[in-house]
Amino acid sequence: QKEVEQNSGPLSVPEGAIASLNCTYSDRGSQSFFWYRQYSGKSPELIMFIYSNGDKEDGRFTAQLNKASQYVSLLIRDSQPSDSATYLCAVTPSGGYQKVTFGTGTKLQVIP
Amino acid sequence: NAGVTQTPKFRILKIGQSMTLQCTQDMNHNYMYWYRQDPGMGLKLIYYSVGAGITDKGEVPNGYNVSRSTTEDFPLRLELAAPSQTSVYFCASSYPDSTSGGASTDYEQYFGPGTRLTVT
Repeated sequence: QKEVEQNSGPLSVPEGAIASLNCTYSDRGSQSFFWYRQYSGKSPELIMFIYSNGDKEDGRFTAQLNKASQYVSLLIRDSQPSDSATYLCAVTPSGGYQKVTFGTGTKLQVIP
Repeated sequence: NAGVTQTPKFRILKIGQSMTLQCTQDMNHNYMYWYRQDPGMGLKLIYYSVGAGITDKGEVPNGYNVSRSTTEDFPLRLELAAPSQTSVYFCASSYPDSTSGGASTDYEQYFGPGTRLTVT
């Protein structure tokens, strides 16, 4: 079982719709959870982090964490063509923050 | 603040050649990382460092070496390049020396622009 799993996509949504991206992780003791956005040919950039169960909202983005079920999701409301990118889920393991494990990413396409 | 810089941006190596990928950060971060990203794949950790003089292996360290003599610099050395090392290499840093007490924001990783390496 992979440590951090994401559906590779592509996930296609129409402009203005809600995009829902999901991530599951295997280490039950994982402490912090990050969503990075990566445009084609560019380096990843952080868009959200969450470490407590529940929802965390930042503008059009909402991160949701359920530690009991070991999943974290990212919702993008009012999706824009500029949101088209690959979204990487990242998890810090139990025992320390030094190492972060990344998922393979979900490619999102927002159709105008 | 330049952030994290990497050189070179592109490089073509012949099988068996060696090279060093340079990485420098000016944010006084303690932690630095080297990742590789193959097409359509996520990031795989090669090596990381939690401070000057301290390095440790990640998920895919074979064929690579690192050193960390200063806080700012974390070069990655490829010895005897092989076609399997064709990839995009990203350097990242996190955890500033003066932190907010372990808040998760301390652990955001800042990435360099990447080095695209082809081994033929």
